[in-house]
Amino acid sequence: KNQVEQSPQSLIILEGKNCTLQCNYTVSPFSNLRWYKQDTGRGPVSLTIMTFSENTKSNGRYTATLDADTKQSSLHITASQLSDSASYICVVSPNDYKLSFGAGTTVTVRA
Amino acid sequence: DAGVIQSPRHEVTEMGQEVTLRCKPISGHNSLFWYRQTMMRGLELLIYFNNNVPIDDSGMPEDRFSAKMPNASFSTLKIQPSEPRDSAVYFCASTLDGGYNEKLFFGSGTQLSVL
Repeated sequence: KNQVEQSPQSLIILEGKNCTLQCNYTVSPFSNLRWYKQDTGRGPVSLTIMTFSENTKSNGRYTATLDADTKQSSLHITASQLSDSASYICVVSPNDYKLSFGAGTTVTVRA
Repeated sequence: DAGVIQSPRHEVTEMGQEVTLRCKPISGHNSLFWYRQTMMRGLELLIYFNNNVPIDDSGMPEDRFSAKMPNASFSTLKIQPSEPRDSAVYFCASTLDGGYNEKLFFGSGTQLSVL
């Protein structure tokens, strides 16, 4: 059973435009939620980590939000660039090392 | 810091052959993880080491898989004998102390193809 659901599965946007990715989770207990960026042929790279008490966290043009009550998170990409083309993975951490990974959203930015 | 270093980047082998994947964690990190990524199942934890000791190997799919961490700077994942269904990307990752709020650093992965 997949406890982390991401949507959409993929999306295409024009360079300079904004987009928002969604993540819903049922993982319990909950310690933190992470967003990772994975370029093709590379390992995932951490963008943000949010604990239960954090609502928003930014990393440059990436802004993540968390609603722990509804168990939803979003990742907003502002003024997209070609280098933003990647898979974005939502990861939920319980109170141990066993992370629950979403299937990822593939973002393609076109000039 | 060079980050987590994995080798080889790509491995193509024939069914039945032994495969050894290698990992060097970030210096000073004492927790190391091996993951497998496939299109069907996404990222799955195979094994977790802390201070060179295997803590959880429940994700290792079969006895054909084994992992070692002889010292703080080196780990191997071995598959013997390999099968086509083992084809996947294998990632090594490390954290400072394994704490659940710590950032996880991934290597670039080994793309394994078993023919």
